[in-house]
Amino acid sequence: DIQMTQSPSTLSASVGDRVTITCRASQSISSWLAWYQQKPGTAPKLLIYEASTLESGVPSRFRGSGFGTDFTLTISSLQPDDFATYYCQQYNTYWTFGQGTKVEIK
Amino acid sequence: EVQLLESGGDLVQPGGSLRLSCAASGFTFSSYDMSWVRQAPGKGLEWVSGIRGSDDNTYYADSVKGRFTISRDNSKNMLHLQMNAVRAEDTALYYCAKWRYSSGDFDYWGQGTLVTVSS
Repeated sequence: DIQMTQSPSTLSASVGDRVTITCRASQSISSWLAWYQQKPGTAPKLLIYEASTLESGVPSRFRGSGFGTDFTLTISSLQPDDFATYYCQQYNTYWTFGQGTKVEIK
Repeated sequence: EVQLLESGGDLVQPGGSLRLSCAASGFTFSSYDMSWVRQAPGKGLEWVSGIRGSDDNTYYADSVKGRFTISRDNSKNMLHLQMNAVRAEDTALYYCAKWRYSSGDFDYWGQGTLVTVSS
C-alpha cells in the first residue's frame, strides 16, 4: 500500500502569511495527487488535482507542485476563509489520504 | 448543480448489517464513477470503495473487502453501500463522492451519513 505522510500536522499562521504544506508518498505516484480543504462539520472540497491543476472556482492563491514522491501545497497569502484542515490524496494504486494538516490562527 | 445526498446511517451492533444510500442529481449519473469515503470521529479520510460507471467494476479497501458491497442503480440515480459484519472500527461519517477516473480525484462530495457500531 502507498502511504502518504503530511507535514506539519498543525500549522499556526496569521492572515497574509505564506503557508506551505508538504506531502510525501512512500513510492512514486507520478502526478496522481490531489489536495482537499475541509472545514469543521463540512465535506472536503477539492482544491488541486494532478499535483498542480487548480480546480475550477478555487482562488489562485492556492498552488500545488511536485512529482514522484514529494509534493507541496502553498497558500500565497493566507485569508480568514483558509483556516481549515488540508489533506493530500494519491491515486496511483487505489486511493490513500494523508493524515491531514490543520491550519490554525496564530 | 451536482448534489449528493446520503442516507441510511444508524446505530448498529457489532456483527450487524446496514445499507447506505446516496441520491445523486445534477449530472448524468450513469456516466460517472462513484466512491464511498469515510471519516472516523476526529480522524482523517479513508477511501472505502468505488464503482465505475462504464462497466460497474468495483474496488474495495482491504479493511472492508469481503464485508462491504458497493452497487449502483442508474435508473434511479442511486449509489449504495451494503455493510455486513460491521465492527467498531467501521464507526464513521460515510461520504458519497463523485470520482473522476481521468484524474483520480473526488470532485463532489455529499454531506455524509453517520454509522455508529456499538453494543
